[in-house]
Amino acid sequence: KNQVEQSPQSLIILEGKNCTLQCNYTVSPFSNLRWYKQDTGRGPVSLTIMTFSENTKSNGRYTATLDADTKQSSLHITASQLSDSASYICVVTGQAGTALIFGKGTTLSVSS
Amino acid sequence: NAGVTQTPKFRVLKTGQSMTLLCAQDMNHEYMYWYRQDPGMGLRLIHYSVGEGTTAKGEVPDGYNVSRLKKQNFLLGLESAAPSQTSVYFCASSYSGTPETQYFGPGTRLLVL
Repeated sequence: KNQVEQSPQSLIILEGKNCTLQCNYTVSPFSNLRWYKQDTGRGPVSLTIMTFSENTKSNGRYTATLDADTKQSSLHITASQLSDSASYICVVTGQAGTALIFGKGTTLSVSS
Repeated sequence: NAGVTQTPKFRVLKTGQSMTLLCAQDMNHEYMYWYRQDPGMGLRLIHYSVGEGTTAKGEVPDGYNVSRLKKQNFLLGLESAAPSQTSVYFCASSYSGTPETQYFGPGTRLLVL
């Protein structure tokens, strides 16, 4: 069964600290993997997208990594800010034209 | 550009009532989607459309109907609302299918009593 598992479920960090969120998937065959940021009460917004041939993709203070062999991805946030408080969702797509498989998300809280 | 907009933002229904959620996009996207998001679960696809006049079932289509009469609009209908349909509904659109990025609307919070 195609699944996307994210860990941890929730995370609290101090402003300015770094953190790493994990995503493991069993989707096969694999097409691409996205990380979305969802602020409370808003729709998800795309942060990065990676295909199987890409290992790293950055978007400002966000860096996503992908290991297609172990079917693992991580999202690293550097020098966290209060505005980083949100839910981060990992989304995996199988072969072109198939539906997206959404993880349940990791809720990040950044405190001052 | 307004992007993807959804109407209404919040609605309370009684069991058995009907309603229609409206999604509009001004990006000339071909593909449009309706998802629901429930606590502790990932977004789940209800229905989607790959172009004007077309619709297809997603992962959880039961109890919902959709229509795409105009390219920019995608309507989600609940004919007889049930408490199990209490959820936050998100509409999304994309220029084409995967791997194109989907752009999400702000969501509609629906409470069925």
